[in-house]
Amino acid sequence: GQNIDQPTEMTATEGAIVQINCTYQTSGFNGLFWYQQHAGEAPTFLSYNVLDGLEEKGRFSSFLSRSKGYSYLLLKELQMKDSASYLCAVEADSNYQLIWGAGTKLIIKP
Amino acid sequence: NAGVTQTPKFRILKIGQSMTLQCAQDMNHNYMYWYRQDPGMGLKLIYYSVGAGITDKGEVPNGYNVSRSTTEDFPLRLELAAPSQTSVYFCASSYSGTGNSADNEQFFGPGTRLTVL
Repeated sequence: GQNIDQPTEMTATEGAIVQINCTYQTSGFNGLFWYQQHAGEAPTFLSYNVLDGLEEKGRFSSFLSRSKGYSYLLLKELQMKDSASYLCAVEADSNYQLIWGAGTKLIIKP
Repeated sequence: NAGVTQTPKFRILKIGQSMTLQCAQDMNHNYMYWYRQDPGMGLKLIYYSVGAGITDKGEVPNGYNVSRSTTEDFPLRLELAAPSQTSVYFCASSYSGTGNSADNEQFFGPGTRLTVL
């Protein structure tokens, strides 16, 4: 079967760094996405990894290891507005469908 | 550009009623998707379309129907609403389904919050 695992909830302090992990077991792999979703709003795109390694984009970085079926999203210099759910999604094959994790709710404390 | 728009924002249905959730995009995207999101759960794909006149089932299509007569519009039809269809429905679009991130990124509408009583 297809499965994506993420921690349900994490708490971090404003100004700190947090790493949100995602592990996946899928029939194939074409790419991995991270999306941010604020409560009551639609998901918005953060990053896309297709090759192993780290992709950096401002305060956010995303890492992928295809051999380990593992990715993480690294958020630096946390701000209160980063309080949101972070969704990991894998494109497992070429039929245009994404398999979504349940999301990690990140709570930022002052 | 308005991006992806959805109507209505909220709706309450009685069991057995039918309705159509509207979705439109003005980005000339080929690919469009319908998802549902239940509390604490990930997005589940209901139906998707790779272009006008072409639709296909996703993971949870039962109880729903779609059509794609134009590139812009992708309505979702609920027939005989059931309490299990209470959820938040998101429509999304992307330029293409595979390739680099610029093409793959899915843009989401604001969602329709549906309650079936």
